[in-house]
Amino acid sequence: GENVEQHPSTLSVQEGDSAVIKCTYSDSASNYFPWYKQELGKRPQLIIDIRSNVGEKKDQRIAVTLNKTAKHFSLHITETQPEDSAVYFCAASKTSYDKVIFGPGTSLSVIP
Amino acid sequence: DTEVTQTPKHLVMGMTNKKSLKCEQHMGHRAMYWYKQKAKKPPELMFVYSYEKLSINESVPSRFSPECPNSSLLNLHLHALQPEDSALYLCASSQDPALGWTQYFGPGTRLLVL
Repeated sequence: GENVEQHPSTLSVQEGDSAVIKCTYSDSASNYFPWYKQELGKRPQLIIDIRSNVGEKKDQRIAVTLNKTAKHFSLHITETQPEDSAVYFCAASKTSYDKVIFGPGTSLSVIP
Repeated sequence: DTEVTQTPKHLVMGMTNKKSLKCEQHMGHRAMYWYKQKAKKPPELMFVYSYEKLSINESVPSRFSPECPNSSLLNLHLHALQPEDSALYLCASSQDPALGWTQYFGPGTRLLVL
């Protein structure tokens, strides 16, 4: 079955710097890759997603890139702010009646 | 309405109790999910309902019993739980699975089994 790895497990950056979180997946049939942010005690919230027919997607300070050949996808956060501090989960899935497989998570701390 | 709601927010139960968790969405989504999440871990899928039918059961022990009374409601019935079942229980929903897999999570029920 699908396996999603995520690195690093913890990441600490200075406010204003960029943060990059990388994920790899094992099933080449996976075609949908969401990213969730989970603040302490809160629900996971979708922040951005990408489908396999697209190589890059941007939404303000957040961008996601996908390399289907290498089976890698990455989250980029620019101009980090303290409110970006949270656990970030990448995930992978295939279309229709299948499961979303989550990576183990990255705990991001943005130091003011 | 773009929210998934869950009740109760917190639940403490003994190992002999019977309780139920409730989840509701009014986004017209046709797939609903139960996840279990332990501290510092990703959500772990338990059940998937698609068009009100159970489509995935991730070999969950029978002390957890899901129910989908209609397309907006999802219940999780709990009976004879163990202390290791203490966790955050998250409900999620998504549109027709054929259109993609964006899942929207509820706030969760924090369960403590004594």
